[in-house]
Amino acid sequence: GNSVTQMEGPVTLSEEAFLTINCTYTATGYPSLFWYVQYPGEGLQLLLKATKADDKGSNKGFEATYRKETTSFHLEKGSVQVSDSAVYFCALTNCGGSNYKLTFGKGTLLTVNP
Amino acid sequence: DTAVSQTPKYLVTQMGNDKSIKCEQNLGHDTMYWYKQDSKKFLKIMFSYNNKELIINETVPNRFSPKSPDKAHLNLHINSLELGDSAVYFCASSQGVGTSGRAQLFGPGTRLTVL
Repeated sequence: GNSVTQMEGPVTLSEEAFLTINCTYTATGYPSLFWYVQYPGEGLQLLLKATKADDKGSNKGFEATYRKETTSFHLEKGSVQVSDSAVYFCALTNCGGSNYKLTFGKGTLLTVNP
Repeated sequence: DTAVSQTPKYLVTQMGNDKSIKCEQNLGHDTMYWYKQDSKKFLKIMFSYNNKELIINETVPNRFSPKSPDKAHLNLHINSLELGDSAVYFCASSQGVGTSGRAQLFGPGTRLTVL
């Protein structure tokens, strides 16, 4: 079956630090990969996505590259802000059969201090 | 605003009661989902409907019954609520079945607390 593994949190950084949140996946075929963000007390928002190998998704200064050879989709940002404090979820969907559902990682809590 | 909306946002109830959560999307999507987020923030699919037809039904107690009166609505009815049902329930929608590249867009969530 499909699975997503993300680095355990919490992650605490100072403002303007570099962020990496690791994500690896297990899936058959050619999954699409997503990062969602959940700000405190809010729902999930799509942050970025990539649908095929070597695609780079980017949004709001965040980037992630679909690496099929390492089955990874690590999230990066060059300079985090206090407003980036949230829980970040890596997820995948897989084409074929009935696999339309999102399979999520366990989430990584990021706290950015001023 | 085009969005996925849920009502109510908060729901506090006693064990044994029956309650419903409503979800509506005005995005023109044909597929809708219910996810459960537990106290550790873990998210898991419960149900999915495509064009009012049930296509995903994970291992969920049969006290939970989804209903889709039309493509734009997917409601969740829960009978005989238990303490363990306390969670945040998210509705989501997307366009296309089998098109895994289409992102699912989420509602704001309903925080259910069972006392």
